[in-house]
Amino acid sequence: AQSVSQHNHHVILSEAASLELGCNYSYGGTVNLFWYVQYPGQHLQLLLKYFSGDPLVKGIKGFEAEFIKSKFSFNLRKPSVQWSDTAEYFCAVIPLGTYKYIFGTGTRLKVLA
Amino acid sequence: SAVISQKPSRDICQRGTSLTIQCQVDSQVTMMFWYRQQPGQSLTLIATANQGSEATYESGFVIDKFPISRPNLTFSTLTVSNMSPEDSSIYLCSVGELAGIDGYTFGSGTRLTVV
Repeated sequence: AQSVSQHNHHVILSEAASLELGCNYSYGGTVNLFWYVQYPGQHLQLLLKYFSGDPLVKGIKGFEAEFIKSKFSFNLRKPSVQWSDTAEYFCAVIPLGTYKYIFGTGTRLKVLA
Repeated sequence: SAVISQKPSRDICQRGTSLTIQCQVDSQVTMMFWYRQQPGQSLTLIATANQGSEATYESGFVIDKFPISRPNLTFSTLTVSNMSPEDSSIYLCSVGELAGIDGYTFGSGTRLTVV
């Protein structure tokens, strides 16, 4: 079955530390890839997306993600996190030809000031 | 992008009762979805709400338990019927256009506790 794995469930970092959150998916065909963020008390917001072209995509608030097709991965990165990045991060894919998200289980990030 | 108003934001309900959640969008949208987010778990798609016809349910979800209406392109309701404590969860409305290439917009969710 198609699935999305986020191996880090909880991450705690100090401000200015670098961040990398892993995301792997299991699907043999073409997919569109997304990262969503949910800040405390707020709704899910799109952070960035990839569907073709340059596999390194840049999103809002200094986040970026790299699609590595051979590894079925779409890891999220940020060179220097801020306290305001404390949130839950969800990776999601939409297999080409469908319209339904498959979500990962999410990663709770806590940034210590 | 569309703005979603989802009501209620939270509720505590007695087992055996039903709760209807509303999702109102400020513009016409093609796709509307209902998700469940159980504690510590990912978002799970319950169904796609189809305008003017029966919703399309995902495996494990049935119309008798989660009846959905979508009378027009800006409004949908999800009812959680005959509730049990296992239904305690966050229920989310999501909207977007075909294939979701630009991503979907999510409501703020309804936190349901069944006692």
